Order: sequence, then structure tokens, then C-alpha cells
Amino acid sequence: AQKITQTQPGMFVQEKEAVTLDCTYDTSDPSYGLFWYKQPSSGEMIFLIYQGSYDQQNATEGRYSLNFQKARKSANLVISASQLGDSAMYFCAMNANNNDMRFGAGTRLTVKP
Amino acid sequence: DTGVSQDPRHKITKRGQNVTFRCDPISEHNRLYWYRQTLGQGPEFLTYFQNEAQLEKSRLLSDRFSAERPKGSFSTLEIQRTEQGDSAMYLCASSLLRGSSYNEQFFGPGTRLTVL
Repeated sequence: AQKITQTQPGMFVQEKEAVTLDCTYDTSDPSYGLFWYKQPSSGEMIFLIYQGSYDQQNATEGRYSLNFQKARKSANLVISASQLGDSAMYFCAMNANNNDMRFGAGTRLTVKP
Repeated sequence: DTGVSQDPRHKITKRGQNVTFRCDPISEHNRLYWYRQTLGQGPEFLTYFQNEAQLEKSRLLSDRFSAERPKGSFSTLEIQRTEQGDSAMYLCASSLLRGSSYNEQFFGPGTRLTVL
């Protein structure tokens, strides 16, 4: 069975600093994709970054990078140079066998001015 | 194309009534997904379509829930005999399946259902 765990219900970060949001996963499938989504208070789910299980390098998208440690089954999101607009819920998700997406419970990030 | 759209954005209904939600995916996307999200939780998968075929429906919450995608374009999610526990945000997402690569799902704004 697939499972995504986000152990940080809430995180605080000072503006302009970096923050790491934790995500661990469990699957028996050798091929899978890992995703991070941002959900502001408006409710829309915004895709941030993707990591494939066979990708050799960690994914990066602008200020977002994914710290993928396959042996530890972790896929932490690193946001550099935090901005006030980064305050939102962040969800880690996994897709195996190209079917449904399993989501974690989310982490609420608050950026302090 | 401006993305995935959902209608209505909000629905208030009385317990026992039937409700239907519509989702219009990004036009070239062949996959369409339905999720439910309750307060403080991540989205929970309900069902998905590839073109007009419903490939997974065992995780629909009960037999009161059904979904269709008759022409492989828009989709509807119906909840019959609504219960207060059905109150949630219902999210639709679409993606373009190409080969074996994993493609991100693009989400709509959701339909917030309140059952009184």
C-alpha cells in the first residue's frame, strides 16, 4: 500500500530565510513519482515540483528544490529565500503505476515578516 | 485554455437531496480525477477516467457517489441522498498521460459542498 507522511502540521520561517518541509513515503512499486503542491487560503492546488523515482538528480524549480533520498524514502521540499506569499498549506503526494495520487496531511507554512 | 474549471464553486443543500458537480478539464488532457478534501486534510482520491473510461471507482465513498465522463471531455460527480458527512471540498484534476512518465495533475478551484 502507498502512504505519504508529513509530520510537521505547522512551520514558521522568517522572510528571506530557507525552510525545509518534510515528507516520507512508502510504496512497494519501483516506479513512482513524487510531487509537491501548494494550497493558499483561496483553496486552489498549485503544482510546484516533481521528482521521478529513477531520476538521478534532485529536482529544482526556481526557489523550490526537492531533497530526494531514495534509500530513506524521503522527499523533502526546500524553499529558499522565503516570501510572504509562500504562506500556505503544502502537500506532498505520490503517484505509482500512473494511477491516483496519494496526498499527505499537509504542512501549514507561515512566513514571518 | 485557462485551466480546469468546476461548477458550481459553492453548493448548499439539505440532507437527503441529490447534487451534481461538473468539471471541465484542460482540453488536451486525457485523464480526469475526482478528489474529496475535508478540513485540515489532504485530498482523498475518489475516481478517475482515461478518456471516457472510468478506470478506478472502488474508492468512491459509497454507492451514493457516481461519476461520468460520457464523451471523454467534461465529467460530472453526483452524490445521491446527501448526508451531513458529505460536506467537503470536491476537487477535480486533469493530466496528460504520455507513455510511462508521470505528469502533474492540474487542479480546478473545487466545489465546496455544505449539507445542512
